[in-house]
Amino acid sequence: GNSVTQMEGPVTLSEEAFLTINCTYTATGYPSLFWYVQYPGEGLQLLLKATKADDKGSNKGFEATYRKETTSFHLEKGSVQVSDSAVYFCALSDAGGYNKLIFGAGTRLAVHP
Amino acid sequence: EAGVTQFPSHSVIEKGQTVTLRCDPISGHDNLYWYRRVMGKEIKFLLHFVKESKQDESGMPNNRFLAERTGGTYSTLKVQPAELEDSGVYFCASSQGMDIRGYGYTFGSGTRLTVV
Repeated sequence: GNSVTQMEGPVTLSEEAFLTINCTYTATGYPSLFWYVQYPGEGLQLLLKATKADDKGSNKGFEATYRKETTSFHLEKGSVQVSDSAVYFCALSDAGGYNKLIFGAGTRLAVHP
Repeated sequence: EAGVTQFPSHSVIEKGQTVTLRCDPISGHDNLYWYRRVMGKEIKFLLHFVKESKQDESGMPNNRFLAERTGGTYSTLKVQPAELEDSGVYFCASSQGMDIRGYGYTFGSGTRLTVV
Protein backbone atom coordinates (compact mmCIF):
# COMPACT_ATOMS: atom_id res chain seq x y z
CA GLY A 1 0.00 0.00 0.00
CA ASN A 2 0.90 3.66 -0.11
CA SER A 3 3.27 4.93 2.56
CA VAL A 4 5.53 7.82 3.54
CA THR A 5 8.88 7.54 5.29
CA GLN A 6 10.54 10.50 6.99
CA MET A 7 13.88 10.85 8.66
CA GLU A 8 13.69 10.36 12.38
CA GLY A 9 14.16 13.31 14.64
CA PRO A 10 14.69 15.28 16.57
CA VAL A 11 16.75 17.51 14.35
CA THR A 12 18.61 20.16 16.32
CA LEU A 13 20.15 23.12 14.51
CA SER A 14 21.60 26.49 15.30
CA GLU A 15 19.91 29.57 13.91
CA GLU A 16 20.83 30.31 10.27
CA ALA A 17 21.88 26.71 9.59
CA PHE A 18 20.74 24.85 6.48
CA LEU A 19 17.87 22.41 6.93
CA THR A 20 17.05 19.21 5.08
CA ILE A 21 14.33 16.82 6.21
CA ASN A 22 14.22 13.73 4.03
CA CYS A 23 10.94 12.25 2.84
CA THR A 24 10.43 9.29 0.52
CA TYR A 25 7.19 7.68 -0.53
CA THR A 26 5.71 4.52 -1.97
CA ALA A 27 2.63 4.97 -4.08
CA THR A 28 0.84 3.71 -7.14
CA GLY A 29 -0.05 6.18 -9.83
CA TYR A 30 0.71 9.85 -9.44
CA PRO A 31 0.04 11.09 -5.91
CA SER A 32 0.22 14.70 -4.80
CA LEU A 33 2.77 15.49 -2.11
CA PHE A 34 2.55 17.82 0.86
CA TRP A 35 4.48 19.15 3.82
CA TYR A 36 2.48 20.08 6.91
CA VAL A 37 3.86 21.82 9.99
CA GLN A 38 2.62 21.77 13.57
CA TYR A 39 3.84 24.60 15.77
CA PRO A 40 3.61 24.11 19.54
CA GLY A 41 0.01 24.25 20.73
CA GLU A 42 -1.42 24.66 17.25
CA GLY A 43 -3.03 22.52 14.59
CA LEU A 44 -1.46 21.19 11.44
CA GLN A 45 -0.89 23.81 8.76
CA LEU A 46 -0.16 23.23 5.11
CA LEU A 47 3.37 24.44 4.43
CA LEU A 48 3.69 23.60 0.74
CA LYS A 49 2.55 21.12 -1.88
CA ALA A 50 3.39 19.72 -5.32
CA THR A 51 0.88 17.95 -7.51
CA LYS A 52 3.04 16.52 -10.30
CA ALA A 53 6.56 15.35 -11.00
CA ASP A 54 9.27 18.04 -11.04
CA ASP A 55 6.97 20.59 -9.42
CA LYS A 56 8.59 22.66 -6.69
CA GLY A 57 6.50 23.78 -3.76
CA SER A 58 7.70 26.75 -1.75
CA ASN A 59 6.53 28.85 1.17
CA LYS A 60 8.13 30.88 3.99
CA GLY A 61 11.61 30.10 2.66
CA PHE A 62 10.97 26.34 2.60
CA GLU A 63 11.17 24.37 -0.64
CA ALA A 64 10.57 20.81 -1.76
CA THR A 65 10.75 19.27 -5.23
CA TYR A 66 8.61 16.31 -6.35
CA ARG A 67 11.16 13.76 -7.61
CA LYS A 68 9.39 10.83 -9.21
CA GLU A 69 12.61 9.04 -10.20
CA THR A 70 13.75 8.86 -6.58
CA THR A 71 10.22 8.92 -5.07
CA SER A 72 11.30 11.75 -2.79
CA PHE A 73 10.02 15.11 -1.56
CA HIS A 74 12.77 16.44 0.71
CA LEU A 75 12.13 19.66 2.62
CA GLU A 76 14.86 22.31 2.59
CA LYS A 77 15.45 25.76 4.00
CA GLY A 78 18.59 27.76 3.56
CA SER A 79 18.62 29.56 6.90
CA VAL A 80 16.41 28.42 9.75
CA GLN A 81 15.10 30.62 12.54
CA VAL A 82 14.12 29.84 16.11
CA SER A 83 10.49 30.35 15.04
CA ASP A 84 10.79 27.37 12.67
CA SER A 85 10.92 25.01 15.64
CA ALA A 86 7.99 22.65 15.09
CA VAL A 87 7.06 19.16 13.95
CA TYR A 88 7.09 18.66 10.19
CA PHE A 89 4.97 16.00 8.46
CA CYS A 90 5.37 14.77 4.91
CA ALA A 91 2.18 13.45 3.33
CA LEU A 92 0.69 12.21 0.09
CA SER A 93 -2.79 12.06 -1.28
CA ASP A 94 -3.76 8.78 -2.80
CA ALA A 95 -4.04 9.05 -6.58
CA GLY A 96 -7.06 6.79 -6.40
CA GLY A 97 -8.93 8.97 -3.95
CA TYR A 98 -7.97 12.53 -3.35
CA ASN A 99 -10.03 12.91 -0.23
CA LYS A 100 -7.48 11.74 2.32
CA LEU A 101 -3.84 12.04 3.28
CA ILE A 102 -1.24 9.45 4.18
CA PHE A 103 1.29 10.93 6.58
CA GLY A 104 4.79 10.15 7.68
CA ALA A 105 5.69 9.88 11.35
CA GLY A 106 6.79 13.51 11.62
CA THR A 107 10.18 15.08 12.30
CA ARG A 108 10.67 17.41 15.24
CA LEU A 109 12.93 20.39 14.52
CA ALA A 110 14.49 22.41 17.33
CA VAL A 111 16.38 25.57 16.39
CA HIS A 112 18.58 27.22 18.99
CA PRO A 113 19.79 30.84 19.00
CA GLU B 1 -13.26 33.31 9.89
CA ALA B 2 -13.22 30.96 12.85
CA GLY B 3 -11.04 27.92 12.39
CA VAL B 4 -11.70 24.29 13.18
CA THR B 5 -12.36 23.92 16.88
CA GLN B 6 -11.82 20.78 18.86
CA PHE B 7 -12.54 20.07 22.47
CA PRO B 8 -11.54 19.10 24.93
CA SER B 9 -7.92 19.89 24.22
CA HIS B 10 -6.85 17.24 26.71
CA SER B 11 -8.63 14.29 28.27
CA VAL B 12 -7.38 11.73 30.75
CA ILE B 13 -9.64 8.75 31.37
CA GLU B 14 -9.35 5.31 32.85
CA LYS B 15 -9.36 2.17 30.79
CA GLY B 16 -12.92 1.02 30.22
CA GLN B 17 -14.46 4.47 30.44
CA THR B 18 -16.14 6.36 27.63
CA VAL B 19 -14.88 9.57 26.06
CA THR B 20 -16.49 11.81 23.48
CA LEU B 21 -14.45 14.19 21.37
CA ARG B 22 -16.06 17.04 19.53
CA CYS B 23 -15.12 18.90 16.38
CA ASP B 24 -16.69 22.09 15.04
CA PRO B 25 -15.66 22.60 11.41
CA ILE B 26 -15.42 25.89 9.57
CA SER B 27 -18.90 27.10 8.76
CA GLY B 28 -19.98 26.00 5.30
CA HIS B 29 -17.45 23.20 5.02
CA ASP B 30 -19.32 20.07 3.98
CA ASN B 31 -16.30 17.81 4.32
CA LEU B 32 -15.09 16.79 7.77
CA TYR B 33 -12.28 14.38 8.54
CA TRP B 34 -10.92 12.63 11.62
CA TYR B 35 -7.32 11.56 11.95
CA ARG B 36 -5.24 10.36 14.88
CA ARG B 37 -1.59 10.14 15.85
CA VAL B 38 -0.79 7.33 18.22
CA MET B 39 2.44 7.13 20.25
CA GLY B 40 4.28 9.69 18.12
CA LYS B 41 3.84 7.63 14.98
CA GLU B 42 2.16 8.45 11.69
CA ILE B 43 -0.99 10.50 11.59
CA LYS B 44 -3.61 8.08 10.29
CA PHE B 45 -6.91 8.72 8.58
CA LEU B 46 -9.98 7.54 10.45
CA LEU B 47 -12.98 8.70 8.44
CA HIS B 48 -14.52 11.32 6.18
CA PHE B 49 -17.98 12.87 6.34
CA VAL B 50 -19.70 14.70 3.54
CA LYS B 51 -22.38 16.64 5.34
CA GLU B 52 -23.97 14.09 7.64
CA SER B 53 -23.03 11.02 5.58
CA LYS B 54 -19.96 8.85 6.05
CA GLN B 55 -18.09 8.99 2.75
CA ASP B 56 -15.18 6.81 3.83
CA GLU B 57 -14.73 5.10 7.18
CA SER B 58 -11.99 2.73 6.11
CA GLY B 59 -9.61 3.93 8.82
CA MET B 60 -11.82 3.31 11.84
CA PRO B 61 -9.86 0.81 13.94
CA ASN B 62 -12.72 -1.18 15.48
CA ASN B 63 -16.29 -0.99 16.67
CA ARG B 64 -15.33 0.75 19.91
CA PHE B 65 -15.16 3.94 17.85
CA LEU B 66 -18.35 5.69 16.78
CA ALA B 67 -18.41 8.90 14.78
CA GLU B 68 -21.46 11.01 14.13
CA ARG B 69 -22.23 14.25 12.42
CA THR B 70 -25.78 15.19 13.17
CA GLY B 71 -27.24 17.78 10.82
CA GLY B 72 -23.99 18.05 8.93
CA THR B 73 -22.52 20.54 11.35
CA TYR B 74 -20.31 19.49 14.27
CA SER B 75 -19.05 15.96 14.67
CA THR B 76 -18.40 13.73 17.66
CA LEU B 77 -16.09 10.79 18.01
CA LYS B 78 -16.93 8.45 20.86
CA VAL B 79 -14.61 5.78 22.18
CA GLN B 80 -16.39 3.16 24.27
CA PRO B 81 -14.83 1.43 26.13
CA ALA B 82 -11.45 3.11 25.91
CA GLU B 83 -8.31 0.96 25.84
CA LEU B 84 -4.71 1.92 26.57
CA GLU B 85 -3.76 1.79 22.88
CA ASP B 86 -6.32 4.49 22.09
CA SER B 87 -4.06 7.10 23.68
CA GLY B 88 -2.86 9.68 21.20
CA VAL B 89 -3.80 12.94 19.53
CA TYR B 90 -7.04 13.07 17.57
CA PHE B 91 -7.20 15.67 14.82
CA CYS B 92 -10.20 16.97 12.99
CA ALA B 93 -10.07 18.80 9.67
CA SER B 94 -12.60 20.36 7.33
CA SER B 95 -12.64 21.48 3.72
CA GLN B 96 -15.00 23.02 1.20
CA GLY B 97 -14.38 20.48 -1.53
CA MET B 98 -13.39 16.86 -1.55
CA ASP B 99 -10.21 17.10 -3.62
CA ILE B 100 -7.34 17.69 -1.24
CA ARG B 101 -5.12 18.96 -4.05
CA GLY B 102 -7.27 21.96 -4.75
CA TYR B 103 -9.12 22.74 -1.57
CA GLY B 104 -6.76 21.66 1.13
CA TYR B 105 -7.73 20.98 4.69
CA THR B 106 -7.92 23.21 7.72
CA PHE B 107 -6.94 21.26 10.80
CA GLY B 108 -7.93 21.79 14.39
CA SER B 109 -5.41 21.82 17.22
CA GLY B 110 -6.26 18.27 18.22
CA THR B 111 -7.45 16.51 21.35
CA ARG B 112 -4.79 14.72 23.36
CA LEU B 113 -6.35 11.58 24.81
CA THR B 114 -4.58 9.66 27.54
CA VAL B 115 -6.02 6.36 28.71
CA VAL B 116 -4.58 5.13 32.02
